[in-house]
Amino acid sequence: EIVLTQSPGTLSLSPGERATLSCRASQSISSNFLAWYQQKLGQAPRLLIYGAFSRATGIPDRFSGSGSGTDFTLTINRLEPEDFAVYYCQQYGNSAITFGQGTRLEIK
Amino acid sequence: QVQIVQSGAEVKKPGASVKVSCKTSGYTFTNYAIHWVRQAPGQRLEWMAWINTANGNTQYSPKFLDRITITRDTSATTTYMELSSLKSEDTTVYYCATGATPVNIASESDYFDYWGQGTQVTVSS
Repeated sequence: EIVLTQSPGTLSLSPGERATLSCRASQSISSNFLAWYQQKLGQAPRLLIYGAFSRATGIPDRFSGSGSGTDFTLTINRLEPEDFAVYYCQQYGNSAITFGQGTRLEIK
Repeated sequence: QVQIVQSGAEVKKPGASVKVSCKTSGYTFTNYAIHWVRQAPGQRLEWMAWINTANGNTQYSPKFLDRITITRDTSATTTYMELSSLKSEDTTVYYCATGATPVNIASESDYFDYWGQGTQVTVSS
């Protein structure tokens, strides 16, 4: 199975700053089938990005995804208070779907 | 709009079974698959299984193959996940989610665009 490693584990930033979250795969993800989710405490994950860079319906354009192969990035520009949450990447290019361990984005 | 409502929290003894339901509305039930994902505290999300809601075909993660059953009731637009031989390690939150790809071309490898609220299952003697 493909192992996804997210970094950093915790990111401390202030509103208005830019967040850069990394997701590295143990092997190349076919067709860049990589998604990003946001999860707030006590809530289900929310889809942000699919296909490595396509924003899901209703997701603000301050969220952007990039990358290919084994290295992917989620960038959040101009952080809003509601953006502080845990973020997970997920690969679906391999029959064994796997998720990263998450990056916690906290207010500095 | 799409709504997914899961059944309530469960407390079970080791060795017992649990059946969690997932009722969907706001779209054509048989157009999109349902997947089941669980999340233990502090752990990464873990994919368990999916069901093709159109024909009832299922696929299970090898980790749960011998003790998970996914079924659906198309008239009730509801999917069920039954997990047997429960262990303490099964204490976690279980989510159902819709696959984003239309079911006629979907596979178990998909991303998830709508999620239920989660069901806490606690296994304790």
